[in-house]
Amino acid sequence: AQKITQTQPGMFVQEKEAVTLDCTYDTSDPSYGLFWYKQPSSGEMIFLIYQGSYDQQNATEGRYSLNFQKARKSANLVISASQLGDSAMYFCAMARFKTIFGAGTRLFVKA
Amino acid sequence: DGGITQSPKYLFRKEGQNVTLSCEQNLNHDAMYWYRQDPGQGLRLIYYSQIVNDFQKGDIAEGYSVSREKKESFPLTVTSAQKNPTAFYLCASSREQAGNQPQHFGDGTRLSIL
Repeated sequence: AQKITQTQPGMFVQEKEAVTLDCTYDTSDPSYGLFWYKQPSSGEMIFLIYQGSYDQQNATEGRYSLNFQKARKSANLVISASQLGDSAMYFCAMARFKTIFGAGTRLFVKA
Repeated sequence: DGGITQSPKYLFRKEGQNVTLSCEQNLNHDAMYWYRQDPGQGLRLIYYSQIVNDFQKGDIAEGYSVSREKKESFPLTVTSAQKNPTAFYLCASSREQAGNQPQHFGDGTRLSIL
């Protein structure tokens, strides 16, 4: 069975510093996609970054990068130079034909 | 601008009542999804549809029903059989149902019991 685990319920980071949000997954499929979404307090889900299971290089999108370690089945999100607007819930997700989501990590950025 | 529109933003249901949540997309996406989110938790899949006139149950379909008569529309009905409907409901779409397609989400509907 597929499973996504986010072990950090909450994280604090100082503004302008980098932060890593952890995500581990479990699947027996060789082909899958890994995603990170941001959910501000207003509720909408915003797609941040995607990593394919066969991609050799880690994905990057602006200040977001995905640290993909396939052998360890981890897909951690790194946010560089944190901003106050980064305070939100962050969800890791894995997709084959259906998408499953982790429980999320709430990030607080301190001024 | 293309996107997904969910309505209403807030909805209240009386005991024994069915209510319908609207979801419309103008992204020309084939796949659409309904998720339920309870406080402090992740998203759980209720129903999904890969193409018009076809849909499948997700992980928590009991007490819910859907239709997909048009590509743009995927309404969700919360029936009286759903005994604990209070939650945040999110509709999403993707170009196709594949592992490399990100999902685009609406702003959600908050459903409460009166």
